[in-house]
Amino acid sequence: DTEVTQTPKHLVMGMTNKKSLKCEQHMGHRAMYWYKQKAKKPPELMFVYSYEKLSINESVPSRFSPECPNSSLLNLHLHALQPEDSALYLCASSQITNLAGGRHEQFFGPGTRLTVL
Amino acid sequence: DAKTTQPTSMDCAEGRAANLPCNHSTISGNEYVYWYRQIHSQGPQYIIHGLKNNETNEMASLIITEDRKSSTLILPHATLRDTAVYYCIVRVNSNSGYALNFGKGTSLLVTP
Repeated sequence: DTEVTQTPKHLVMGMTNKKSLKCEQHMGHRAMYWYKQKAKKPPELMFVYSYEKLSINESVPSRFSPECPNSSLLNLHLHALQPEDSALYLCASSQITNLAGGRHEQFFGPGTRLTVL
Repeated sequence: DAKTTQPTSMDCAEGRAANLPCNHSTISGNEYVYWYRQIHSQGPQYIIHGLKNNETNEMASLIITEDRKSSTLILPHATLRDTAVYYCIVRVNSNSGYALNFGKGTSLLVTP
């Protein structure tokens, strides 16, 4: 199974709502990521988890709260978002390896398209 | 990670080779060249990577110049399904989680 799944595919929420995005992988990867992609722009990194611990937070506002409850799951909790947070949210995972020449490939899910009204 | 420069867009006729260039003149000795692509409304997909030797896999070939300051991704027989944004990324391989710093990429249009 080389798939990263994300739910929901689409989400519309108001600025006062609380919602969560879910990401799952069963490839045994111990690094997981959240990226944000605005229309016609490249993906931008938000968070990196290594061994279920947050290792990189790219100065993301606190209205985005990541959680990694186990090695297969990654959540992104959303609260009090703004309309400018509307974007495609991509989850990815990768192996952690000591092989310098290894493939170091990140596997991406299809994304959740979020609209904030 | 070193910065990359790619053309904004390119066209290629179906069945012909698509050659996508990337400049990375500030690349360091331990940085790899990675290529990903993103088909519309999908997540990015890994294509190939290399350090200094040319590489080939089932999807593409990667040609890296001897001074490593530029590279070319070659799709040998482009199909309509290869229409996508192609990202060239230069980075150090890490044994822990790491960021992919996507540049603007090249939008490749394969035409019938």
